[in-house]
Amino acid sequence: DAGVTQSPTHLIKTRGQQVTLRCSPKSGHDTVSWYQQALGQGPQFIFQYYEEEERQRGNFPDRFSGHQFPNYSSELNVNALLLGDSALYLCASSALTSGTGEQYFGPGTRLTVT
Amino acid sequence: LAKTTQPISMDSYEGQEVNITCSHNNIATNDYITWYQQFPSQGPRFIIQGYKTKVTNEVASLFIPADRKSSTLSLPRVSLSDTAVYYCLVGDTHVDSNYQLIWGAGTKLIIKP
Repeated sequence: DAGVTQSPTHLIKTRGQQVTLRCSPKSGHDTVSWYQQALGQGPQFIFQYYEEEERQRGNFPDRFSGHQFPNYSSELNVNALLLGDSALYLCASSALTSGTGEQYFGPGTRLTVT
Repeated sequence: LAKTTQPISMDSYEGQEVNITCSHNNIATNDYITWYQQFPSQGPRFIIQGYKTKVTNEVASLFIPADRKSSTLSLPRVSLSDTAVYYCLVGDTHVDSNYQLIWGAGTKLIIKP
């Protein structure tokens, strides 16, 4: 059983460009959360998707948007990239009705904005 | 949303028991305490979760006093491979709750030979 997968592994973009990151959740999971992790910091919650809708959102600007597909996979889109968007982007999946909130994280996508 | 305070870093030696304490003075009634482990360039991995008293699994124990204002993650007989960052999170992680766990900078644990 594959765990959470993310693509691409690494990405280099230029300021002002747009980027799309992809995530496939662990089998049996229906909820996907996205996090941004700067070097030396803990993950910061961006948003969470359940039943193809954004369920919760952290303190991130509208440049960050997402989508969840019927197969529960998800995309994170970032528009008008800034140098400060350089970070490790983590996707985590969970089963909303599990009652534990335990999240399974993917390996992340390392985004570098130049 | 409850915040947590934990040591920035800790050192220990192989074979020792390591205890990492987390402070969460404003924990709410419905909040659970969850610990994650993260190795460099990897996503965090769930270790253990508890509400009160003591929880034990195959990798760690979690001790929570009666007032629940702190918790201690205990790693028995650590090895070099336990070198990682450990995060303590507090929040209500259950269905229909508007939870958003706040991640601090974690505790960087270094195990020496």
